[in-house]
Amino acid sequence: DQQVKQNSPSLSVQEGRISILNCDYTNSMFDYFLWYKKYPAEGPTFLISISSIKDKNEDGRFTVFLNKSAKHLSLHIVPSQPGDSAVYFCAARAYTGNQFYFGTGTSLTVIP
Amino acid sequence: DVKVTQSSRYLVKRTGEKVFLECVQDMDHENMFWYRQDPGLGLRLIYFSYDVKMKEKGDIPEGYSVSREKKERFSLILESASTNQTSMYLCASRTLGGSYEQYFGPGTRLTVT
Repeated sequence: DQQVKQNSPSLSVQEGRISILNCDYTNSMFDYFLWYKKYPAEGPTFLISISSIKDKNEDGRFTVFLNKSAKHLSLHIVPSQPGDSAVYFCAARAYTGNQFYFGTGTSLTVIP
Repeated sequence: DVKVTQSSRYLVKRTGEKVFLECVQDMDHENMFWYRQDPGLGLRLIYFSYDVKMKEKGDIPEGYSVSREKKERFSLILESASTNQTSMYLCASRTLGGSYEQYFGPGTRLTVT
């Protein structure tokens, strides 16, 4: 059973606008969340993370929001650029172990 | 600059063959991971190793084994390849403490015919 879900397989956004990618999780023992970006023919690369003790973390154009009560996190990209076009995975770690659980990914296309 | 390398980008094997996928990291990381990525299923953990000669099963270990004799190298072994093991295989590593981010290799696209 998928413990981390990304319900939107794809998203298209105009350049300069905001991209919002969503992720839901089911395990209340998750204490750390990460977003990765993946270009075709490359491995995922780390983008931004957030601990469960926070509800927001910013890094330049990227902001991650965490709503623990809803078991939901989102990644905001502002402004979106064509180079942001990639597949985005959210991932979560349970404090009980070393395993990371990944979502199914959302393919973002930023239209120039 | 951190680096995770995988022995092959593309591999074609026949059903029943024994297949070795190699992964090497140059960051002195303690933890190493093997995932497979399939459309609609995301990344699923096959095995991970938290130190030399130490390993733990992930979510889908059936049909796979692993070996970690040296800290920098983590091998994934398909004992008898089957067509349902056709997939993209990704290796990753991370250090203990600090950030939980993993560093990924470029992946091996394995096709079993």
